[in-house]
Amino acid sequence: EDKVVQSPLSLVVHEGDTVTLNCSYEVTNFRSLLWYKQEKKAPTFLFMLTSSGIEKKSGRLSSILDKKELSSILNITATQTGDSAIYLCAVGTSYGKLTFGQGTILTVHP
Amino acid sequence: DAGVTQSPTHLIKTRGQHVTLRCSPISGHKSVSWYQQVLGQGPQFIFQYYEKEERGRGNFPDRFSARQFPNYSSELNVNALLLGDSALYLCASSYSPPSGGAGETQYFGPGTRLLVL
Repeated sequence: EDKVVQSPLSLVVHEGDTVTLNCSYEVTNFRSLLWYKQEKKAPTFLFMLTSSGIEKKSGRLSSILDKKELSSILNITATQTGDSAIYLCAVGTSYGKLTFGQGTILTVHP
Repeated sequence: DAGVTQSPTHLIKTRGQHVTLRCSPISGHKSVSWYQQVLGQGPQFIFQYYEKEERGRGNFPDRFSARQFPNYSSELNVNALLLGDSALYLCASSYSPPSGGAGETQYFGPGTRLLVL
């Protein structure tokens, strides 16, 4: 059975801190790893990673995939209160199924 | 451009009833997937449809069914509702089926919050 595990489950930081969120996976037919941000309802797409070692960046957010270690990290630098959300990691497999981790709840205090 | 839309936004049903949830994908997207998200957990895959054909099914009972229409919109039906079916039901669309590349990226709608009493 495909499995995705995220750590930590929750994190409380202050504005300006840098955070690193972790995602590890055990799946058959790996195709891609995706990160989403969920604030109220709809998960919002952040990154899609398919190749190992290539960092993707968007503003203060960046992510990298390590296929050898079956893992990925999401970094957020200079955190802001607006970064408070649940961050979901998902792995895409052969027929488009996404298997999600349980999410990391990030709380950023002013 | 409009994103993925879902209706209704909220729904309250009683045990044993059935429910139909609707989803319209992003214009040009031909693939629709359905997920169930229980409070405190990540979304769980229910179905994927591409060009009106079921491409994948998750580990859900036969009470759950879905279909995709010629305009690529989709319906999720749940029969004989149980208390445990209370959840946020998310629909996601993507441009292509799993064929590699950015076309596979799934974009989510706002969800339908279902409460079963």
